[in-house]
Amino acid sequence: QVQLQESGPGLVKPSETLSLTCAVSGYSISSGYYWGWIRQSPGKGLEWIASIHYSGSTYYNPSLKSRVAISIDMSENQFSLKLSSVTAADTAVYYCARQAPYSSGWHFDYWGQGTLVTVSS
Amino acid sequence: EIVLTQSPGTLSLSPGERATLSCRASQSVSSTYLAWYQQKPGQAPRLLIYGASSRATAIPDRFSGSGSGTDFTLTISRLEPEDFAVYYCQQYGSSPLTFGGGTKVEIK
Repeated sequence: QVQLQESGPGLVKPSETLSLTCAVSGYSISSGYYWGWIRQSPGKGLEWIASIHYSGSTYYNPSLKSRVAISIDMSENQFSLKLSSVTAADTAVYYCARQAPYSSGWHFDYWGQGTLVTVSS
Repeated sequence: EIVLTQSPGTLSLSPGERATLSCRASQSVSSTYLAWYQQKPGQAPRLLIYGASSRATAIPDRFSGSGSGTDFTLTISRLEPEDFAVYYCQQYGSSPLTFGGGTKVEIK
């Protein structure tokens, strides 16, 4: 069974960098698939942030691209997100998820439970 | 950016009734790249339908998806108590990947 678990600080100060890691178990990242980050602001809908392929190819939402970096660590079977210059608008629950191959639809088939990140001084 | 508009915003129905949820795209989306998710309070979204009409693993057959082009539909044939939740559609017809605003299915 594929499982994903987000980890990282729950509180980040404005203008600082948000850093999250997603540990994957039950599946080897190097075996394929894409891996993505999605966020959900309190009481609002879902926003795709970025995705990465096990080969290292990266894909970003243009609205966040200038502030986002996604990376993968196959030795630890995990991938990470960095979001710089955060503001209160970045307060959200952040999810990591496994993403189907592009030819299969690029949908998210396994999700982490999510982690709430609050931006506040 | 392709905008997905879901309607209605809230659907009030009783257990056993049929639910029909709409997802309309601002531009045509290949059926391959249209998915539906269910989200319950405090939980992550769960994949229900991908490729517009294929059920994900372990999804009951009371859930079905249909549609093409700009109009897609999620149908729940007979609502079970556990089906009351928020439902989102998602597309990747073109970048960026986007989600609809959601339809809440609530108990009448």
